[in-house]
Amino acid sequence: GENVEQHPSTLSVQEGDSAVIKCTYSDSASNYFPWYKQELGKRPQLIIDIRSNVGEKKDQRIAVTLNKTAKHFSLHITETQPEDSAVYFCAAFGGSYIPTFGRGTSLIVHP
Amino acid sequence: NAGVTQTPKFQVLKTGQSMTLQCAQDMNHNSMYWYRQDPGMGLRLIYYSASEGTTDKGEVPNGYNVSRLNKREFSLRLESAAPSQTSVYFCASRTSGGDEQFFGPGTRLTVL
Repeated sequence: GENVEQHPSTLSVQEGDSAVIKCTYSDSASNYFPWYKQELGKRPQLIIDIRSNVGEKKDQRIAVTLNKTAKHFSLHITETQPEDSAVYFCAAFGGSYIPTFGRGTSLIVHP
Repeated sequence: NAGVTQTPKFQVLKTGQSMTLQCAQDMNHNSMYWYRQDPGMGLRLIYYSASEGTTDKGEVPNGYNVSRLNKREFSLRLESAAPSQTSVYFCASRTSGGDEQFFGPGTRLTVL
């Protein structure tokens, strides 16, 4: 089955800095890669996603890049703000639409 | 349009007791999922249903059963709860071949 590795597990940055979280996957048939933000006690919420036929996607301060050859994708957050502090999860959806999630990255943005 | 709803929000069980977690969606989605979330482990898939009438095991199905009652509802049953099943349970739904997966608010379950 699919295996998704996510790094780092914790990321601490100063307000205004950039943050990068990386995920690797194992199944070359995976074709959809979402990123979720989860605040304490809340449900995961989609913040950005990318399909396998696209290399990069951007939405304001958030971007995702995908390297299909190397089987990795990354979340980039620029100009971080304290409200960006949360746990971020990557996921990979395989050819049968079964999702596998990474273990999460706790992002802490210090004012 | 309520999205994905789950009941109950919180539950405490004793070892050996049974219970059913309920999930419903009003977005006409074909696919529905049950996950458990434990600290440091991310979201792990328990069972999923690609369409009404079908269910399949995910990564951690042992100790659980599911029922896709109709297109809207997907329930998760613990027949004999164990302390290892203490977790937060999320239900989610998605269109077949679609993109975004929508999550319910979660059920926090404690098994003593």
